[in-house]
Amino acid sequence: DTGVSQDPRHKITKRGQNVTFRCDPISEHNRLYWYRQTLGQGPEFLTYFQNEAQLEKSRLLSDRFSAERPKGSFSTLEIQRTEQGDSAMYLCASSLAGTAFYGYTFGSGTRLTVV
Amino acid sequence: GQNIDQPTEMTATEGAIVQINCTYQTSGFNGLFWYQQHAGEAPTFLSYNVLDGLEEKGRFSSFLSRSKGYSYLLLKELQMKDSASYLCAVRGDSGGYQKVTFGTGTKLQVIP
Repeated sequence: DTGVSQDPRHKITKRGQNVTFRCDPISEHNRLYWYRQTLGQGPEFLTYFQNEAQLEKSRLLSDRFSAERPKGSFSTLEIQRTEQGDSAMYLCASSLAGTAFYGYTFGSGTRLTVV
Repeated sequence: GQNIDQPTEMTATEGAIVQINCTYQTSGFNGLFWYQQHAGEAPTFLSYNVLDGLEEKGRFSSFLSRSKGYSYLLLKELQMKDSASYLCAVRGDSGGYQKVTFGTGTKLQVIP
């Protein structure tokens, strides 16, 4: 297993366009998380899946953000009508329920720049 | 909600010991994590404390006091490669779900 993979690594888009990011977690991990990180800040929680069920979504997340994990494996995060404030690093992480002592495994992230 | 406080920046000398403090407030506390994050890279897991006391892992140790809402990360025999941000993260209740909230991180610079 090569860890958590995210695609693309970098995305530059014009304001108003839609973007979609993909995350492939560690195969045996049943939990998947999306975080957003801006420069000088810690990761900010966006949403969380256990298998295919989306169990929690941050109240900070507007309706322009949607995430799916259709078969409990990979996940996608879509941002509609992007705004300059959406520019950030989008991090995906995965874990196995009951193994908190191992922490989350993060992917390398997708860096989004909205121009 | 959850609130986490840690110093923004610290500087220490190669070979020395440095302690990075973290104070937190949360409901339904269920664990504290430390992560290391090099510039432009993803966070990597360092340690997990759920009970009071010290957990040691090689050059890194982490301490927790639940009654004081306090933790620290101790780095010994500092190396240049330890220059990074260190993130304190707390797991607590959030509407029936155990959510992990990260602090803003402490940027550590190791100097020769």
